[in-house]
This record gives sequence, structure tokens and C-alpha cells, in this order.
Amino acid sequence: KQEVTQIPAALSVPEGENLVLNCSFTDSAIYNLQWFRQDPGKGLTSLLLIQSSQREQTSGRLNASLDKSSGRSTLYIAASQPGDSATYLCAAPYFGNEKLTFGTGTRLTIIP
Amino acid sequence: NAGVTQTPKFQVLKTGQSMTLQCAQDMNHEYMSWYRQDPGMGLRLIHYSVGAGITDQGEVPNGYNVSRSTTEDFPLRLLSAAPSQTSVYFCASSSLGTGGSYEQYFGPGTRLTVT
Repeated sequence: KQEVTQIPAALSVPEGENLVLNCSFTDSAIYNLQWFRQDPGKGLTSLLLIQSSQREQTSGRLNASLDKSSGRSTLYIAASQPGDSATYLCAAPYFGNEKLTFGTGTRLTIIP
Repeated sequence: NAGVTQTPKFQVLKTGQSMTLQCAQDMNHEYMSWYRQDPGMGLRLIHYSVGAGITDQGEVPNGYNVSRSTTEDFPLRLLSAAPSQTSVYFCASSSLGTGGSYEQYFGPGTRLTVT
């Protein structure tokens, strides 16, 4: 069974800093890993999908990496802004490729 | 495209009542699923469907029924609501992309309270 862990549960950093969010998973036989953003009281917005054949995926100020051998993924946010404040969730598939196991998320607060 | 839509956004039920949470997608995705989100527990899979007429159980299926008569719709039925079903419910859809990956798209959620 896939288990996904995100540490820390909460993080506060001053505006403008670069930061890294961590995600670890137990079953490395995955086709992909997906990062989401969730604002309070809202749904999930897909940020990045990294396929197992890729080591990194970039979108604007976001960069996600995937290391299957160590069971880890990181989400790097460059030059953080107050608008980046949200909960960030990572999810890895289990029992095939379409069912996701989620971590409990990292609640990020960017201090102006 | 509207993406994944869910209705209602909020619902309050009394214990023992039944209701249906609606989910629809207009992306012609073959795969649809229902998750519930509870504080401190992350999202957990309730039921999923790999196509019209095909459904299966996820991690926490008890107390819920689903059916999939069309590609677009995937309703979730609560048979007899219990306080333990108080949660936020999310519907998601996806299709097979390049590299064998499914990128999942989520609806805005339904916040359900059972008293």
C-alpha cells in the first residue's frame, strides 16, 4: 500500500525567500507524482505532474523533482510571494496508475 | 470547458437522511473518482470508475454508492447519513496521457455536515 508523507505540516517564511517542500512515498513503482495547491475552503488545483521518466518539471517559479529510488519528491518555490500562501499537497498513485494516495499537506504562509 | 463541476456546494443533513452528490465533467475523461477530505487525514478515495458502467471501491467505500451511466456524470449517494460522514467531498476526473500518466483534475468540493 502506498503511503505519502509531507514534512513539515506548516511553514512560514518571509516574502522573497526561496523554499522547498518535501514529499516522501513508500512504493517507488509509480508512473508519476502530482503536486496540488489548495486555498482555504477551495478545491485542488494541479500544479505539476512529474512522470517517472522525468527528474524535474518546471512551471514559472515552481520546480518539482522526483527521485524514485529514494522515494522522494520536492517542490521548489522561487522568490516567494504572499499569493503563494496555501496548502500544498503531493499525491502518488497506488494499485495501478489512476488512484491517488495523498499526503496531509504542508500549509505555507508567506509573510509580507 | 467548465472542467469538473459539483453540486451542491454546501449541504446539511440529519442522521439517517439520504442524498446524492452530483459530479459532472466535460473533458471526455474516462476515469472519475470521489474523495473525502478530513482534517489531519488527507484525501481518501471512496469510489472510482474507469468508464461508463464500471465502478469499484476505494479505500473508504462503506456508506456510499456510485453508478456511472454516462461518461460525463458520476453521482455519489449517501444511503443513510451518519455524523462520521461529515466531510468535504471532492470529485476528480482524468484520462491517460503521455508516458502512461493520469493527471487528475478536481472539482470545487461539497461541504457536507451531518447532524
